[in-house]
Amino acid sequence: QPVLTQSSSASASLGSSVRLTCTLTSGHSNYIIAWHQQQPGKAPRYLMNLEDSGSYNKGSGVPDRFSGSSSGADRHLTISNLQSEDEADYYCETWGSDTRVFGGGTKLTVL
Amino acid sequence: EVQLLESGGGLVQPGGSLRLSCAASGFTFRSYAMTWVRQAPGEGLDWVSTINIGGAYTYYTDSVKGRFTISRDNSKNTLYLQMNSLRAEDTAIYYCAKGGLYSSSPIDYWGQGTLVTVSS
Repeated sequence: QPVLTQSSSASASLGSSVRLTCTLTSGHSNYIIAWHQQQPGKAPRYLMNLEDSGSYNKGSGVPDRFSGSSSGADRHLTISNLQSEDEADYYCETWGSDTRVFGGGTKLTVL
Repeated sequence: EVQLLESGGGLVQPGGSLRLSCAASGFTFRSYAMTWVRQAPGEGLDWVSTINIGGAYTYYTDSVKGRFTISRDNSKNTLYLQMNSLRAEDTAIYYCAKGGLYSSSPIDYWGQGTLVTVSS
């Protein structure tokens, strides 16, 4: 089954851009993933699904500031014009071998 | 508007049982796979179980196989998770989540969660 690897933390300044990365294990580089956001004390929220081609589909109400891209086994989530409300944990998710898998999550701090 | 409302959480002793429910609305429930995900205090998201649209195919993480049972009642638009032989390490917020047409489809909506505490 695939394994998803994420950096444990990231930080960026208010109004800047940040790119978060989720890396699939070798042999699974063509897998579709999803990105989810979890603000402090809240339930997760679906942001988008992202294909190996870089094509992505965002969830309802997700701001235009959020975009996705892919490069090989890496799946990127880019947040532009960072806002204070973007400070959250970000998780990637995929499915393989009859198992749903989550990455360990990246805690984003907005400075 | 898609809504997923979990219920049934609470405090239970080790070895005990609980049944979680998730009432779904705002979409055609019978046409989508459904999933339970849990989150222990201070930890990340942990997949528990997924069920396909008709309920014939179910999938579980290894740590709950033989103890938890996922099911659905498409006539009541409700998802269930029967949890038996509960352990301290099952303590978590349990989220109900909507998927796509297939069991492999990504989650695209989340409920607000229900807290399960296993303690004596």
